[in-house]
Amino acid sequence: DAGVIQSPRHEVTEMGQEVTLRCKPISGHNSLFWYRQTMMRGLELLIYFNNNVPIDDSGMPEDRFSAKMPNASFSTLKIQPSEPRDSAVYFCASSLAMVGDQPQHFGDGTRLSIL
Amino acid sequence: GESVGLHLPTLSVQEGDNSIINCAYSNSASDYFIWYKQESGKGPQFIIDIRSNMDKRQGQRVTVLLNKTVKHLSLQIAATQPGDSAVYFCAESGRVTGGGNKLTFGTGTQLKVEL
Repeated sequence: DAGVIQSPRHEVTEMGQEVTLRCKPISGHNSLFWYRQTMMRGLELLIYFNNNVPIDDSGMPEDRFSAKMPNASFSTLKIQPSEPRDSAVYFCASSLAMVGDQPQHFGDGTRLSIL
Repeated sequence: GESVGLHLPTLSVQEGDNSIINCAYSNSASDYFIWYKQESGKGPQFIIDIRSNMDKRQGQRVTVLLNKTVKHLSLQIAATQPGDSAVYFCAESGRVTGGGNKLTFGTGTQLKVEL
């Protein structure tokens, strides 16, 4: 079974550049989450969507970060302009909401390095 | 200045022994709890979950215990194997607008299995 698919797996770019991270959730899941993981702060929720609609973006660090979910099978997290402190592993997760408590299933992440 | 990362507690066990990983959660209103395993270079992997109306749940080689009185969660791994070496996270959850669960993750415990 296909799990959550993220691309790219690794991204190295210079500060000031635009970075776009991509996520394909598990087919049939209707909740999608973006997380950031760093040694300093652990796993932090950035934003989540239910049925393609952003519900809570209070975890998005600042206006340089934006996320979209144009359809049920695709989401993007964009950073523009990128800064060295954005370096982290970014995870996407999905779950089947509206059916009681359901675990989130994670992709293998995008390791982002901003030079 | 010098950056300080999260200090992950470490549990070292001998292969074949049982492991117990503990977690204290903060929100007494949380009603759903999940344990995740994260191996190096991968995303968190769902292990087992438990709802607040239960105090114990068993899976294959794993058992989760929930003590709501003291807000404590534990993961027991029977006959620990080298492949169990990873960082283990507990996550607590409350229902969110529109359905689904919003997770808050603990800092994690590094499990090291010694041969």
